Amino acid sequence: EAQVTQNPRYLITVTGKKLTVTCSQNMNHEYMSWYRQDPGLGLRQIYYSMNVEVTDKGDVPEGYKVSRKEKRNFPLILESPSPNQTSLYFCASSITSDGVNSPLHFGNGTRLTVT
Amino acid sequence: AQRVTQPEKLLSVFKGAPVELKCNYSYSGSPELFWYVQYSRQRLQLLLRHISRESIKGFTADLNKGETSFHLKKPFAQEEDSAMYYCALRSKGGSNYKLTFGKGTLLTVNP
Repeated sequence: EAQVTQNPRYLITVTGKKLTVTCSQNMNHEYMSWYRQDPGLGLRQIYYSMNVEVTDKGDVPEGYKVSRKEKRNFPLILESPSPNQTSLYFCASSITSDGVNSPLHFGNGTRLTVT
Repeated sequence: AQRVTQPEKLLSVFKGAPVELKCNYSYSGSPELFWYVQYSRQRLQLLLRHISRESIKGFTADLNKGETSFHLKKPFAQEEDSAMYYCALRSKGGSNYKLTFGKGTLLTVNP
């Protein structure tokens, strides 16, 4: 089944403890992106990747890192999480970054709580 | 900068009533617009896109460039339509065809 898989689904951690949220897609998509969803703010883009080894900042990149060593994986890294990073995170991918036939496919989300 | 506005956070209708979820955008280029839906405890899914001019689950949306709107409509709402709906605009900034989302409208269809 074609899908975007995020792990874990739920994560509770403490301030300053490094964590990684994994994202994997099996559709050979070039474009991948991370969003965070907060009440009243909707979805905001954190980072995106056009292809392997090509990543760039979205609207709210502070406090996050990403890597794209393989086409299928796009992990989100929080080196030193803080409570304001408590949020619902979505990974998404599309065939390419352009074109009208490239809708985003979303993962199930990761609910992160930082205490 | 591009912006997507969904003026209603909450919308409640009765089953069988018409429903319209409003979306307005601002963007200097040629917009590409989408509606995404998120059912309870599920991932976001693409509902429809303006380029396709399609009807999905009875929903339609027409791009009105004069009014810069892309309202989502359904003539007869069903209980299973209850969900969060996001309007999104795809714009190009450098090499990033970014999706900018509105803040969402929570639709509740009452029996």
